[in-house]
Amino acid sequence: QKEVEQNSGPLSVPEGAIASLNCTYSDRGSQSFFWYRQYSGKSPELIMSIYSNGDKEDGRFTAQLNKASQYVSLLIRDSQPSDSATYLCAAYSWGKLQFGAGTQVVVTP
Amino acid sequence: GAVVSQHPSRVICKSGTSVKIECRSLDFQATTMFWYRQFPKKSLMLMATSNEGSKATYEQGVEKDKFLINHASLTLSTLTVTSAHPEDSSFYICSARHSGGLNEQFFGPGTRLTVL
Repeated sequence: QKEVEQNSGPLSVPEGAIASLNCTYSDRGSQSFFWYRQYSGKSPELIMSIYSNGDKEDGRFTAQLNKASQYVSLLIRDSQPSDSATYLCAAYSWGKLQFGAGTQVVVTP
Repeated sequence: GAVVSQHPSRVICKSGTSVKIECRSLDFQATTMFWYRQFPKKSLMLMATSNEGSKATYEQGVEKDKFLINHASLTLSTLTVTSAHPEDSSFYICSARHSGGLNEQFFGPGTRLTVL
């Protein structure tokens, strides 16, 4: 079983719609969770961090954490073509970040 | 804030040569830095964890004599690919963990290595 699991996609989202990305993790001891965005050929960029159950909003992004269900999600509102990228979910476990394989998001005009 | 630089951004070398990649945290101290490699359309693969002033911890299957890591200061870690071969061609990315305690990790822009 992988530490962090994500659907690989691609997730096709019309411009202006909400993109919903999901992630599950296996280590119940994980306390810190992150979403990174990675454009093709570039390195990952941290876009959200979340540590407590509930929602955390930052601009068009909302991260949701449910530790009981070991579930993290990311919502992207008003999706733009520039949001087309691979989104990596990560959980801090055993002294390092455990990354999911990433979900590719394609925003179509 | 939280900027990590990496140098060089791109390097092409001949088989058998060694290549050094530098990773610097520009505006924060990083007691821990990480080195990843990524093949096209594949996931990030952690190679090693680098702690300032101590030996790096390598992931299973990563040759420590092949990939030499030095973390001499709180803002600088280096990765040396020794006797590089074409199969070492990849995208190498470092990251630095902020010492502030929130476990946030910030990535450098990456180094694309091509071994001829």
